[in-house]
Amino acid sequence: ILNVEQSPQSLHVQEGDSTNFTCSFPSSNFYALHWYRWETAKSPEALFVMTLNGDEKKKGRISATLNTKEGYSYLYIKGSQPEDSATYLCASLFGNEKLTFGTGTRLTIIP
Amino acid sequence: DAMVIQNPRYQVTQFGKPVTLSCSQTLNHNVMYWYQQKSSQAPKLLFHYYDKDFNNEADTPDNFQSRRPNTSFCFLDIRSPGLGDAAMYLCATSGARAGGFNQPQHFGDGTRLSIL
Repeated sequence: ILNVEQSPQSLHVQEGDSTNFTCSFPSSNFYALHWYRWETAKSPEALFVMTLNGDEKKKGRISATLNTKEGYSYLYIKGSQPEDSATYLCASLFGNEKLTFGTGTRLTIIP
Repeated sequence: DAMVIQNPRYQVTQFGKPVTLSCSQTLNHNVMYWYQQKSSQAPKLLFHYYDKDFNNEADTPDNFQSRRPNTSFCFLDIRSPGLGDAAMYLCATSGARAGGFNQPQHFGDGTRLSIL
């Protein structure tokens, strides 16, 4: 069984503060790591797809890093805004070509 | 805008009464997926199509079937829904098999299924 773990499960952050959360995955047979943002009543939206150890990607105030040797990825949000409130899902693509999702981190920004 | 559309957004059905959920896409992607997500759990892949090639997950109940009549449409049929099938059902597409290495998946808004 290939487990993708996300922590914390939920997080409350004051508007303007920065935050980060973690996705852990088995490092063997790794191919890619996906991050999605899922706002309530909307569809999950792809943020990043990362494949290489040491990859760093950035989209506005959101960035992500990848460590494939130790099996983790961090998602960072700088200067949180109310519109950042969402569930952030990570998913790992292993050798069997199937995305395995974590349970997500539910982020709430407090105005 | 190209997109993935799921209908209906909310579906209520009776215990044991067959139900069909639909998904359409304008992205012309060759891979389509169905996921089931229960509250506070990770989305779980039920099956996927690579073009017309159907791939069922080993632990997907026989109660769940799928059809893909053409590139644009994919259906999820639940033959005899039980209370345990109440969940959010997500349809997704990608331009390469299982998301490839660099291809993200594109999701619909989901159908929330309730069983009475």
